[in-house]
Amino acid sequence: EIVLTQSPGTLSLSPGQRATLSCRVSQSVSSDSLAWYQQKPGQAPRLLIYGASSRATGIPDRFSGSGSGTDFTLTISRLEPEDFAVYYCQQYGSSLYTFGQGTKLEIK
Amino acid sequence: QFQLQESGPGLVKPSETLSLTCSASGGSITSSTFYWGWIRQSPGKGLEWIGSTYYSGNAFSNPSLKGRVTISVDMSRNNFSLKLSSVTASDTAVYYCVRIGRYPLYYYMDLWGKGTSVTVSS
Repeated sequence: EIVLTQSPGTLSLSPGQRATLSCRVSQSVSSDSLAWYQQKPGQAPRLLIYGASSRATGIPDRFSGSGSGTDFTLTISRLEPEDFAVYYCQQYGSSLYTFGQGTKLEIK
Repeated sequence: QFQLQESGPGLVKPSETLSLTCSASGGSITSSTFYWGWIRQSPGKGLEWIGSTYYSGNAFSNPSLKGRVTISVDMSRNNFSLKLSSVTASDTAVYYCVRIGRYPLYYYMDLWGKGTSVTVSS
């Protein structure tokens, strides 16, 4: 069973700063199988990044994804007020979708 | 534009079957491009994939739910449904229906319903 571990659990930053969120996978996976989602309070999650590094439709270019193997990163280059939310990584493998536990990005 | 909307009882008794329907609008559920699925979110377990199906069948589900899941499609009504049997309090969650699109080698949840809260309690 693949486990996704996100860190940190909570990240406190100010608008304009750079955010770096980590997703570690318990075994090496194809980068094509890794995605990131954003969830704001009271809303459903939204697809941000697929294939580890490709932005979904309508996602601003301040969001970028990178990584391979077991270590993946979501970077937000300059935080906007609307970016403060919870972020989840997700992996698909062996007919099973698995999510990380989430990183809460909060305003400092 | 394409939208999904969940519906169903907000309260289910323990040992009974949870039944939810997801109605699609703005497009056809018989599109060959997509799968359809269910995700749930509870405070204790975060986001959990329940299962997915193609419009013509071939549903598959999370093994952790031990065969309690049935997902079916009603093409005539342009919707799909979830049945989760023998529910317990641990099945209390917000349930989301999702569209799963191909990007390009793997499938991801690119459209979500707003979610519906289900509580399991007597």
